[in-house]
Amino acid sequence: EIVLTQSPATLSLSPGERATLSCRASQSVSSYLAWYQQKPGQAPRLLIYDASNRATGIPARFSGSGSGTDFTLTISSLEPEDFAVYYCQQRSNWPPSSFGQGTKLEIK
Amino acid sequence: QVQLVQSGAEVKKPGASVKVSCKASGYTFTNYGISWVRQAPGQGLEWMGWISAYNGNTNYAQKLQGRVTMTTDTSTSTAFMELRSLRSDDTAVYYCARDLQLVPFDYWGQGTLVTVSS
Repeated sequence: EIVLTQSPATLSLSPGERATLSCRASQSVSSYLAWYQQKPGQAPRLLIYDASNRATGIPARFSGSGSGTDFTLTISSLEPEDFAVYYCQQRSNWPPSSFGQGTKLEIK
Repeated sequence: QVQLVQSGAEVKKPGASVKVSCKASGYTFTNYGISWVRQAPGQGLEWMGWISAYNGNTNYAQKLQGRVTMTTDTSTSTAFMELRSLRSDDTAVYYCARDLQLVPFDYWGQGTLVTVSS
């Protein structure tokens, strides 16, 4: 089973700052890595798939990078609505997949 | 527009079964699969399994094998997830999500809270 480890667990930043979230896989997942945003009481929303492809309607301030075992989600300039929990997901052996434990992005 | 609408909240006793539905609209149901994901209170996301709406093929998470069954009804574009022998740690919000190999969970249902309590 592929384990995804996200860091940090909590990230405290101010609007306008740059956010960098990390996801590390226990073995290579090639580029089959997605990122989701979840706000309280809502279903997750797909942000990035295949490591670097923005999903439909996702603002350009969200970007993804990485391959193999190390991946990064970058939010270039935080907007108030970006404060949420972010999850990475691997799909290298689709259909099974697994999620990281999440990073909470909170307002400083 | 694509929508996945799930059935309402359930309260079950330990040992019982629950069946959650997920009605799809706005796209060709049989062109995609459906994955089910659950989230225990205050916890992260857990993938439960996948079903092809095209041919009914399934793939379940190992820890749920033997307790979970996923089915579809193509006549109503509805997917179902049944979980048996419920335990207190099955208390969670259960989500369905549209799933295609090329594009992961791009649309999600609103979630169904299942509470297991004696």
